Amino acid sequence: DTGVSQDPRHKITKRGQNVTFRCDPISEHNRLYWYRQTLGQGPEFLTYFQNEAQLEKSRLLSDRFSAERPKGSFSTLEIQRTEQGDSAMYLCASSRTGVTEAFFGQGTRLTVV
Amino acid sequence: AQTVTQSQPEMSVQEAETVTLSCTYDTSESDYYLFWYKQPPSRQMILVIRQEAYKQQNATENRFSVNFQKAAKSFSLKISDSQLGDAAMYFCAYRSQGGSEKLVFGKGTKLTVNP
Repeated sequence: DTGVSQDPRHKITKRGQNVTFRCDPISEHNRLYWYRQTLGQGPEFLTYFQNEAQLEKSRLLSDRFSAERPKGSFSTLEIQRTEQGDSAMYLCASSRTGVTEAFFGQGTRLTVV
Repeated sequence: AQTVTQSQPEMSVQEAETVTLSCTYDTSESDYYLFWYKQPPSRQMILVIRQEAYKQQNATENRFSVNFQKAAKSFSLKISDSQLGDAAMYFCAYRSQGGSEKLVFGKGTKLTVNP
C-alpha cells in the first residue's frame, strides 16, 4: 500500500492550453474523488467515481473539465483551454465502500500564467 | 446543502500547552460523520479524528479530542500537550451517510506552535 499518488506534483501552463492530471488510488479502493483547493480555502468537491462510473459532478466542474476512470483504476482530470482562475491545488482522494476514512494524495498544484 | 464554518483563520499555542479549534456546521440530516483533517505545508492531508453523529461519546485519539454538540451543531478539536509537529492547517469536514459520501470542508484554521 503506497498511498494515493498524483502526477505531476506541479504544473505551470499558459492560458488557453490543455492540461491533464493523473491520480492512482490505493489499490482496491473503489471510490475516487477529485477536489480543488484554492489559496486560503478548504477543498471543494469536483467529482466522484465508484469503480469506473462517474456518479456525481459538482456545478464547479464546467464544460472545460472532464474526468475519467477507465477500468476503475487510475483517474485523469483534464482541463481544456485553461484560465487563470483554474490556478489551484487539485487533490485526489480514495476510499472503500463501507470504510469511513478517505485517503488523500499530495495534490497537483496548477499555475496558469 | 451542508455548510461548515471555521471562524478562526489562525491560532497559535505554546509548545506543551492546550489549544481548541472551533467548527460549526449546518445540516438537516440526522446521520452523518464529522472529521478533522490536518494539512502540513506541502504535504498531504491526513485524518486526525472522526466522530459519528449517532455516538454521544466524544472521540479521542491520543492527544486529540473533540467536543461534539449535536444540538448546537458544534464540533471543536482540542489538542493537548501541543508539539511543534502539530503546526499545520486544520480542516473540519462533514460527510453525509450514504450517497457519494463526499466531504464538505470548512476554510481551515492555521495553527502555529511556538517553542
